[in-house]
Amino acid sequence: DVVMTQSPLSLSVTLGQPASISCRSSQSLVHSDGNIYLNWFQQRPGQSPRRLIYKISNRDSGVPDRFSGSGSGTDFTLNISRVEAEDVGVYYCLQGTHWPKTFGQGTKLEIK
Amino acid sequence: EVQLVESGGGVIQPGGSLRLSCAASGFSVSSKYMSWVRQAPGKGLQWVSGFYRGGSTYYADSVKGRIIISRDTSRNTLYLQMNSLRAEDTAVYYCTREVDGGPDYWGQGTLVTVSS
Repeated sequence: DVVMTQSPLSLSVTLGQPASISCRSSQSLVHSDGNIYLNWFQQRPGQSPRRLIYKISNRDSGVPDRFSGSGSGTDFTLNISRVEAEDVGVYYCLQGTHWPKTFGQGTKLEIK
Repeated sequence: EVQLVESGGGVIQPGGSLRLSCAASGFSVSSKYMSWVRQAPGKGLQWVSGFYRGGSTYYADSVKGRIIISRDTSRNTLYLQMNSLRAEDTAVYYCTREVDGGPDYWGQGTLVTVSS
């Protein structure tokens, strides 16, 4: 199975400051169709997860533009340009290229 | 509006069976990829099983041989038949619709507790 390794596992950020979460895969995520199926999800306390980013850098509908994704090959990053109070929660990456699909361990974001 | 509503969770003894249902609305389950993702209490997310191109099904190694995913297009419903349940299967099970390689819609989840 492809192992997805996130860092850091917890993050404490001052409101208005940027935040960055890394996700590294144990093998290339390039699909045979040429796409890289790397997703990012946010899970607020007590809620179902919500997808923020698909195919590395595409924002889902309704996702604020302070969230952005980047990366290539085996290294990917989720950036939040200015953290707001509503961003508190756990963030997960997911690779959708290889079977079985695998999530990272999660990164807990809190406000300092 | 897309909605996914899971049901069927509950408390079950080890070795028992349970069938989860996911009623979809706002789209057809036959036209989209669908999957189940679970989350053990206080833990992270784990992809469990999915229905993909041409009706192909895939399973995580930890559930292979014990779980069967299926769908009823006339009822627009996705199912997860779980057999030989173990304590480590205790989790909230989410039904998801997948687009572009990952879930774009999630249900509210249904809790399965395997305990004697």
